Formats: sequence, structure tokens, C-alpha cells
Amino acid sequence: GDSVTQMEGPVTLSEEAFLTINCTYTATGYPSLFWYVQYPGEGLQLLLKATKADDKGSNKGFEATYRKETTSFHLEKGSVQVSDSAVYFCALMQNSWGKFQFGAGTQVVVTP
Amino acid sequence: DTGVSQNPRHKITKRGQNVTFRCDPISEHNRLYWYRQTLGQGPEFLTYFQNEAQLEKSRLLSDRFSAERPKGSFSTLEIQRTEQGDSAMYLCASSLASRRGATDTQYFGPGTRLTVL
Repeated sequence: GDSVTQMEGPVTLSEEAFLTINCTYTATGYPSLFWYVQYPGEGLQLLLKATKADDKGSNKGFEATYRKETTSFHLEKGSVQVSDSAVYFCALMQNSWGKFQFGAGTQVVVTP
Repeated sequence: DTGVSQNPRHKITKRGQNVTFRCDPISEHNRLYWYRQTLGQGPEFLTYFQNEAQLEKSRLLSDRFSAERPKGSFSTLEIQRTEQGDSAMYLCASSLASRRGATDTQYFGPGTRLTVL
């Protein structure tokens, strides 16, 4: 079946550091790929998405590129802020109405 | 647009009791989803409604679980004879069906945290 694997956390960074969270997937066909973020005490929020190979999703300084050849969708941000501290989830969706297949989540802690 | 709301936010119950959770989707969203999230894991799909029709159920949804969406608006998730293994965060999400083939964006509620003692 489909699956998503994310790097384990917590990832601890200093403010203004570069962030990468690795995400790889196993799926048949051509899924859409997503990053969701969950801030403490809040629901999951869509951060960015990509629906086909080589698409780049971007939002709030975060970027991820859909790489079909490596089945990856790594999340990057060039300069993190304390406010980026959250849990980040990579997910795939196989069809347009989607049930998501989520990764386990990666906690990111940014210190001043 | 007030977002997806869920009630209660927290529920503590004793094993064997029944519990019911409510989800109010974003108005006019015709699709509604339930997920379960345990500690340190990502959400797992439970079931999906389009309007009032329940179109898919995960095999995670045992016969003790039932979900409804009367009139295609709010939804309820009931767990009968709760077990300690049911302790989790129950998440609801909604989306608006877009043009054929386009990927919906799901908006998640804050969840209901269930603790079964």
C-alpha cells in the first residue's frame, strides 16, 4: 500500500538557520503531495502542495519540489524563525477527493 | 468563514462507555472526513462523506464506530463500548469539491482528544 516516510524529530535549530525535512513516499500512480503544519494547540494547516512531477510548491518561505525519480518531496526553508516551531506532516493523496496518507510528522524547534 | 469546529475539545470516559463527537465543517463544503491521530503518528483516515452519503470507510473503523452526516451539514462520530485503545485525537476535515480531477484542499479542525480510562 501507499506510505510516507519522514525524518524523525525533533529537529532543533537556531533562528535564521536553514531547514530541511526529508520526505519520501511509496505509491502507485501519480499522487498529489502535501506538507501540512500543526502549531501547538491548533489544527493541521495546509502549508504547500504539488500535484505533478517537477511541480514546486511554496508558501511562507517554505518550498518543496515533487521529485518522481527519487519519490521525494523534501521541505526546505532558507531562514527559520521561532514562530516556525511546529510539527510538520508530509502527505500524499491518490485521487482528487483524497484520503490522505500521512507521514508520522517531524517536530521542529527553533531557538532564539 | 469560521473554519472547521469540533466539540468537545476533550473527552475523558471510562472503558465501556459510549461517546459522540461533533464536527461542523466550513459552510458550503460538501466533503467531510474523519481521521484518527495517535501520539507521535500522523493522522489515519477513518471515513469520508460527500454531502450526506458515506462513500468510504477504513477498515480501522470497527463496528463499534459509526459516523453520520444528516442533511449534509455537521457530522457525528460515535464510539460504542469504548476501549483504552480508542484513546486518540479525532480530527475532522472538510473540503469543497472542485472541478473534475482537481485536488481538493482539506481544512482541518482542532480535533477532539479522547482519553479512555
